[in-house]
Amino acid sequence: DVKVTQSSRYLVKRTGEKVFLECVQDMDHENMFWYRQDPGLGLRLIYFSYDVKMKEKGDIPEGYSVSREKKERFSLILESASTNQTSMYLCASRDLAVSYEQYFGPGTRLTVT
Amino acid sequence: QQQVKQSPQSLIVQKGGISIINCAYENTAFDYFPWYQQFPGKGPALLIAIRPDVSEKKEGRFTISFNKSAKQFSLHIMDSQPGDSATYFCAASSRKTSYDKVIFGPGTSLSVIP
Repeated sequence: DVKVTQSSRYLVKRTGEKVFLECVQDMDHENMFWYRQDPGLGLRLIYFSYDVKMKEKGDIPEGYSVSREKKERFSLILESASTNQTSMYLCASRDLAVSYEQYFGPGTRLTVT
Repeated sequence: QQQVKQSPQSLIVQKGGISIINCAYENTAFDYFPWYQQFPGKGPALLIAIRPDVSEKKEGRFTISFNKSAKQFSLHIMDSQPGDSATYFCAASSRKTSYDKVIFGPGTSLSVIP
């Protein structure tokens, strides 16, 4: 089974702090994604990485950056956390050579106070 | 044009009843339409998916109906069970884009009551 893990289930940070969210997948997938999930808005793509050191902006990249130094790990960085970044963050991975299915982690509930 | 609309926002169904969730899209370049199921405290997981060359796909109690001309697709859950209570997301994507971005609908919260 594909396993996508996220470093924290719950995180509380203060406004202005730098926040790191880590995601690791164990299936050698090339594609990895970061989404945020908000009620009534569904899942919105923040950033996408189609290979190591490669990244593409999604729909809402402002205030975020990403890092992919190793194939299995994709990090989301909030350079200066703000209260409007309080949300559920979901990581996903995919192997397009096999299927279009995305495998999601359990999510990180981030609260910025 | 990149939006996927989904309704209803929430749905309450009696055990044994049929749950129906509807989605609509505008971009005719979309060619893959998955449904994801999310239980509380978990990430979404693929439930069933369809391509536009077929009008219906069935897997157990779950059926996707697809209407290409109307640009609409729907999920039917037959004999709904309390264990089906979850949030359901429809989505659409296109292999014609540079990296096959997936667009998700806003989600439907389904509650199946005994």
